[in-house]
Amino acid sequence: EPEVTQTPSHQVTQMGQEVILRCVPISNHLYFYWYRQILGQKVEFLVSFYNNEISEKSEIFDDQFSVERPDGSNFTLKIRSTKLEDSAMYFCASSGAGTENTEAFFGQGTRLTVV
Amino acid sequence: QKEVEQNSGPLSVPEGAIASLNCTYSDRGSQSFFWYRQYSGKSPELIMFIYSNGDKEDGRFTAQLNKASQYVSLLIRDSQPSDSATYLCAVMNRDDKIIFGKGTRLHILP
Repeated sequence: EPEVTQTPSHQVTQMGQEVILRCVPISNHLYFYWYRQILGQKVEFLVSFYNNEISEKSEIFDDQFSVERPDGSNFTLKIRSTKLEDSAMYFCASSGAGTENTEAFFGQGTRLTVV
Repeated sequence: QKEVEQNSGPLSVPEGAIASLNCTYSDRGSQSFFWYRQYSGKSPELIMFIYSNGDKEDGRFTAQLNKASQYVSLLIRDSQPSDSATYLCAVMNRDDKIIFGKGTRLHILP
């Protein structure tokens, strides 16, 4: 069964360092998303990506964040200069297109710990 | 007004009973509605999606959508201890952004 895969599963980084979180969406999907979940809190939308560009982003997704689809399979989230409050689970998701094919499937997440 | 609202719970339901989870949303233009189950420390897992008004059944799960009332619910019949989890209501709004509620913690009592 096709699935969204994320690497690494856990990343520890020092404050101020850059991190890149990687995702391989389901191959025939067209919409890609990044969400984050701070421990004990709700799943928060960060950004959606369609047709090689950002289609929507939240207030959380400031200039420190960027996304890229460098090739036909990977979808990455870069945090330029990490802060302690960036510590969270980061989930990648993908979905199909069309009016009735919009359900999003999630990867297993990357736990980012900023120290 | 929060975009997707759920009662955080915990909701305690005896094993074998029906668990009823509710969700309201603010964007009247929303078209797609999802229920995800999330076990502690794990990623959200899609269990139901619904696009049209009415009921949609899949095994022990029934999703109900009322667009006029901006209300979506999930019923779990014959609740099992393995159903204990946080259930996330998610709504795709008119901007194609999927917004999650805070989730309802469900506890099935053996």
